[in-house]
Amino acid sequence: DTGVSQDPRHKITKRGQNVTFRCDPISEHNRLYWYRQTLGQGPEFLTYFQNEAQLEKSRLLSDRFSAERPKGSFSTLEIQRTEQGDSAMYLCASSPGSHTDTQYFGPGTRLTVL
Amino acid sequence: GESVGLHLPTLSVQEGDNSIINCAYSNSASDYFIWYKQESGKGPQFIIDIRSNMDKRQGQRVTVLLNKTVKHLSLQIAATQPGDSAVYFCAENGPGRRALTFGSGTRLQVQP
Repeated sequence: DTGVSQDPRHKITKRGQNVTFRCDPISEHNRLYWYRQTLGQGPEFLTYFQNEAQLEKSRLLSDRFSAERPKGSFSTLEIQRTEQGDSAMYLCASSPGSHTDTQYFGPGTRLTVL
Repeated sequence: GESVGLHLPTLSVQEGDNSIINCAYSNSASDYFIWYKQESGKGPQFIIDIRSNMDKRQGQRVTVLLNKTVKHLSLQIAATQPGDSAVYFCAENGPGRRALTFGSGTRLQVQP
């Protein structure tokens, strides 16, 4: 399967702990995106990378959140000092960077903060 | 603020019927629109997209219609099957915006 993959698929943590998620995009896709989705809502944009450069961050990405894409391939999203409000599905998407630039999503990481 | 929304939160159809899911958007500068299907516990799955220089685009059993005058988008599914049951999202972006703006979704329920 050459689609977007995410790890882990589920994460349960206690409030105050740090968590890190990983995303592996479709091979040769230049652009990588992180979104957050809460129950019953559409995904909300968090941040976007063009190769290794983080080009855009939304207001939703508080100081406790950090994302990296060090070699322009996989990306990590870290949440420090988790809060119950961080509970959500974290989705990663990638796109080829072409004119059409369709974003393809991974299966997501479901985070539950107790 | 700018938003993408859906008219109906839940749509129930009989197997074999055609389904129409509607979406309104507010940003007149939006020029790229996508429909995604999301099944429970899974990520959004690309269905079909359309650019603003087109009014209609067809795929396999799906058609997307775009009315830029009233800023309205629709997804038509022909001969709806039980496997089509899911939540459907429209999403959009425009010049200089890589982030997609999603609506809140419409749940499609297909009755056998």
